[in-house]
Amino acid sequence: EVQLLESGGGLVQPGGSLRLSCVASGFTFNSYAMTWVRQAPGKGLEWVSTITASGGSTYYGDSVKGRFTISRDNSKNTLFLQMNSLRAEDTAVYYCANNLQYGGSWSGYFDSWGQGTLVTVSS
Amino acid sequence: EIVLTQSPATLSLSPGERATLSCRASQSITRYLAWYQQKPGQAPRLLIYEASNRATGIPARFSGSGSGTDFTLTISSLEPEDFAVYYCQQRSSWPYTFGQGTKLDI
Repeated sequence: EVQLLESGGGLVQPGGSLRLSCVASGFTFNSYAMTWVRQAPGKGLEWVSTITASGGSTYYGDSVKGRFTISRDNSKNTLFLQMNSLRAEDTAVYYCANNLQYGGSWSGYFDSWGQGTLVTVSS
Repeated sequence: EIVLTQSPATLSLSPGERATLSCRASQSITRYLAWYQQKPGQAPRLLIYEASNRATGIPARFSGSGSGTDFTLTISSLEPEDFAVYYCQQRSSWPYTFGQGTKLDI
């Protein structure tokens, strides 16, 4: 059974930093692209960032580019999101998800999701 | 950035009825579209990918169709557990984007 467990959320002041982690189990982590998606309270879903299986390529949404960094440690089955220069509008539940594989390649669809970790940016 | 517009915002139906949800893209995304279901307090769940392929374990009452800019998610006969919020998402180009959601209400 695929399991994704996020941690690292909490309350942080504007301008501060936070590092989220997502520990994966139940699948071959180093074969899957991984993604972070966020959801502000009472709002819809927003794609944040994707990293390929090897970590060799990363992609970011415009609202976080230059402030957030996605990375992974395949030896520890763990995905990370380093968040710097945090703003009030970054307040959200952050989900990690693995990218669906089909046709022999990774896709931009999000198959299994964790339960999320809440990040609150407030003074 | 590709904008996805979902309609209606809220759809009020009863168990056993047929639900039709729409997603329109601001430019052609061929068939690079997925649908997700989200219940309160839960993570989203992938239902449909590549416009019409059901994800693993998704019941046959869920079906997707469309190409280009217009897409539809159909639930043939609503079960009580289907009342939730549904999102479409495109992977045609970066940045990936989601629609604003359709709430399926009893």
